[in-house]
Amino acid sequence: AQTVTQSQPEMSVQEAETVTLSCTYDTSESNYYLFWYKQPPSRQMILVIRQEAYKQQNATENRFSVNFQKAAKSFSLKISDSQLGDTAMYFCAFMKPLLSVDTGRRALTFGSGTRLQVQP
Amino acid sequence: ETGVTQSPTHLIKTRGQQVTLRCSSQSGHNTVSWYQQALGQGPQFIFQYYREEENGRGNFPPRFSGLQFPNYSSELNVNALELDDSALYLCASSHGRLADSSYEQYFGPGTRLTVT
Repeated sequence: AQTVTQSQPEMSVQEAETVTLSCTYDTSESNYYLFWYKQPPSRQMILVIRQEAYKQQNATENRFSVNFQKAAKSFSLKISDSQLGDTAMYFCAFMKPLLSVDTGRRALTFGSGTRLQVQP
Repeated sequence: ETGVTQSPTHLIKTRGQQVTLRCSSQSGHNTVSWYQQALGQGPQFIFQYYREEENGRGNFPPRFSGLQFPNYSSELNVNALELDDSALYLCASSHGRLADSSYEQYFGPGTRLTVT
């Protein structure tokens, strides 16, 4: 079974600064998908960024980028130029590879989350 | 494009009662997954429905059951409610194909269930 660990329960950053959220995972799979989701107080889980394990290049989405270290099973999220709207819970999540039409494999395994507070 | 919707927003039930939560999937999606998110924790996978059949289940007892309808909307039913069932219940929809873009799950706003 897969496990996802987020060792930082809470973090704080000043507006316009950069912050990095950590995530490690454990799996025996060689190919898989990793995600960062954002959950603001409104509760809506929003996809921030995704990474396919077979891709060596780190994913980027505007101010959000990841540092994917496959050998170390590490998947950190870097938020540049932090904005007040980035205040939220951030969850790292893992998904098994899509080997067949068995879509039960598409279940997400989440970490426990990191609460990020952006200070003005 | 219509996003994922869930109803009701909030619900209060008494221990031992039964509850039904509803989810409408995003337009064009035929797969629905349900997650339970206890306070202060990450979501946990309950089960998934693909083309009206259960297709994958997490570590939840049989009193958690579901349905998916021909229009791909879904229900989560919980019987014999326990205090520990108090949580945010999230529904997520996705495509049921193997194309690269089809594995992303899009979440609804959730239903907050309180069991007293």
